[in-house]
Amino acid sequence: EVQLMESGGDLAQPGGSLRLSCGASGFTFSIYSMNWVRQAPGKGLEWVSYISSRGNTIKYADSVKGRFTISRDNAKNSLYLQMNSLRDEDTALYFCARASLSRAGTFDIWGQGTVVTVSS
Amino acid sequence: DIQMTQSPSSLSASVGDRVTITCQASQDIVNYLNWYQQKPGEAPKLLIYDVYNLQTGVPSRFSGGGSGTDFSFTISSLQSEDVAIYYCQHYHSDPWTFGHGTKVEIK
Repeated sequence: EVQLMESGGDLAQPGGSLRLSCGASGFTFSIYSMNWVRQAPGKGLEWVSYISSRGNTIKYADSVKGRFTISRDNAKNSLYLQMNSLRDEDTALYFCARASLSRAGTFDIWGQGTVVTVSS
Repeated sequence: DIQMTQSPSSLSASVGDRVTITCQASQDIVNYLNWYQQKPGEAPKLLIYDVYNLQTGVPSRFSGGGSGTDFSFTISSLQSEDVAIYYCQHYHSDPWTFGHGTKVEIK
């Protein structure tokens, strides 16, 4: 079964850091580009970051540029999001989402999400 | 950035009704337009990609249309299991943005 499972969400203080992980199973992780998408409580969806299959192309939303870093380890079938200088507005459910082959901005498989709460 | 304007923000319809949601892009996005369904407490699910292509396993009562800046999403015969929030999303150029969502309920 194709599956994505996020972990690492927690309560963090403003200015603090967290590292999210996403484990993939049931498909050849190394050939797919991956994304992080977030959803603030009671709000809609916001694309956060993209990484190509080999990690050589990376994109960020302006809201996280310079603070978040996306990475991946294809040997471990894992995607990561290093979140630094956290702000209250980063509070959200964070999903990892697989990009469809040949359609980088189409998210065809989603994990269940991990909750990040930024509060003092 | 390209803005996606969805309407209505919510609707209530009876089982069996035809339901249509519209999505307007702030500039021409050609056919780089997807639709997602998010049921309560669940992750989003891709329903339609590139305007009108149904993702594998998606029932044929769902359909999409449009081009350029104006797009639509239709449920031909609303079922109780279709209660969800539906989002359009473009991927013409990054940042890839979503509409604010349309909440579909049963009357």
